Amino acid sequence: DIQMTQSPSSVSASVGDRVTIACRASQDIDNWLAWYQQKSGKAPKLLIYAASRLEGGAPSRFSGSGSGTDFTLTITSLQPEDFATYYCQQASSFPRTFGQGTKVEIK
Amino acid sequence: EVQLVESGGGLIQPGGSLRLSCAASGFSVSSSYMSWVRQAPGKGLEWVSIMYSDGSTYYANSVKARFTISRDNSKNTLHLQMNSLRAEDTALYYCATSQEGPYFFDYWGQGTLVTVSS
Repeated sequence: DIQMTQSPSSVSASVGDRVTIACRASQDIDNWLAWYQQKSGKAPKLLIYAASRLEGGAPSRFSGSGSGTDFTLTITSLQPEDFATYYCQQASSFPRTFGQGTKVEIK
Repeated sequence: EVQLVESGGGLIQPGGSLRLSCAASGFSVSSSYMSWVRQAPGKGLEWVSIMYSDGSTYYANSVKARFTISRDNSKNTLHLQMNSLRAEDTALYYCATSQEGPYFFDYWGQGTLVTVSS
């Protein structure tokens, strides 16, 4: 199974800050990576797919980059509605696996 | 509008069985890639199973031989039959669809809670 490791596990930031979350795959997954946002008590929501493609309806302040084993989710100018937990997910092989999550908290 | 509504969760004793359902609207389950993803209380996301549009199925190792994914095309509904349930199967079970290939989950339901406890 491909293991996905996110860092950090949590980050405290202020509105307007730039936030970067890393995700590392245990083997090469090319660009078969997605990012999801999950707010408390809600279902996850797809933000980024194929490593860098913005899902329709997702704000342009979210961007993704990377290929192979190392990926990054960047939120430029953090907004109040962005405080949530973020997960990466690989789609290179079965079983599909998620990172452990990164909680973005208010500083 | 795509909508997914899960049902069938509840409290079940270890070793018991439960069948979850996911009623879909706004698209056809028979022509989509449909998955179950679960989340244990306070924990992260765990993919459980997927059914392809051609009927192929895949499972997480943790549920293989115990869980079965299926669909009812006439009711546009996805199911998850869960047998030999264990305490570690306790989770919120989400139904999710992947509209363009079996890769990323672009629509999710709100989940149904399964609690395995004596």
